[in-house]
Amino acid sequence: QKEVEQDPGPLSVPEGAIVSLNCTYSNSAFQYFMWYRQYSRKGPELLMYTYSSGNKEDGRFTAQVDKSSKYISLFIRDSQPSDSATYLCAMRRTGGFKTIFGAGTRLFVKA
Amino acid sequence: EPEVTQTPSHQVTQMGQEVILRCVPISNHLYFYWYRQILGQKVEFLVSFYNNEISEKSEIFDDQFSVERPDGSNFTLKIRSTKLEDSAMYFCASSEDLTGGLETQYFGPGTRLLVL
Repeated sequence: QKEVEQDPGPLSVPEGAIVSLNCTYSNSAFQYFMWYRQYSRKGPELLMYTYSSGNKEDGRFTAQVDKSSKYISLFIRDSQPSDSATYLCAMRRTGGFKTIFGAGTRLFVKA
Repeated sequence: EPEVTQTPSHQVTQMGQEVILRCVPISNHLYFYWYRQILGQKVEFLVSFYNNEISEKSEIFDDQFSVERPDGSNFTLKIRSTKLEDSAMYFCASSEDLTGGLETQYFGPGTRLLVL
């Protein structure tokens, strides 16, 4: 079983749609859960992170962590064409430096 | 806005040759990282570096790899004898501190390495 699993997509939605991106993981030691956005030919950019379980909201973005199910989600409200990118989930255990990334979901938002 | 820079943007080398990838982290940052991304695959952690020593490394980071911060501003990744499977995009990242246990890592634009 892979440590982090993420559907690579692609996911295509119309502008204004709510987007749901998800990852599952197997290592219960993970405590930090991150979402990165990566545009083509660029390095990843941290969107938001959550510690342990719960929700976190930042503008149009909401991150959710359900540790009991080992499942994390990123919701994008009112999606825009500029949100078209690859979204990477990532995780790390407390006290560690090693970040484990998912494969990334490629999102297309059509105008 | 300060950013992480990497040179070269592209490097082509012959199998068995040594390559050095260079990174200039953001100036007040203390933690430094190398990642790689093989084409079409996920981003993989290679190594983290703090206080002039490796703080953690992955199983990928074997004896062929080394890192160095030679002069207080550059951070380098050396691959001693490149293999075909080393072809990938290599990203450098840096962060300011570990306040609260997690820091924001800023990634550079990457160096695309092609081993022939």
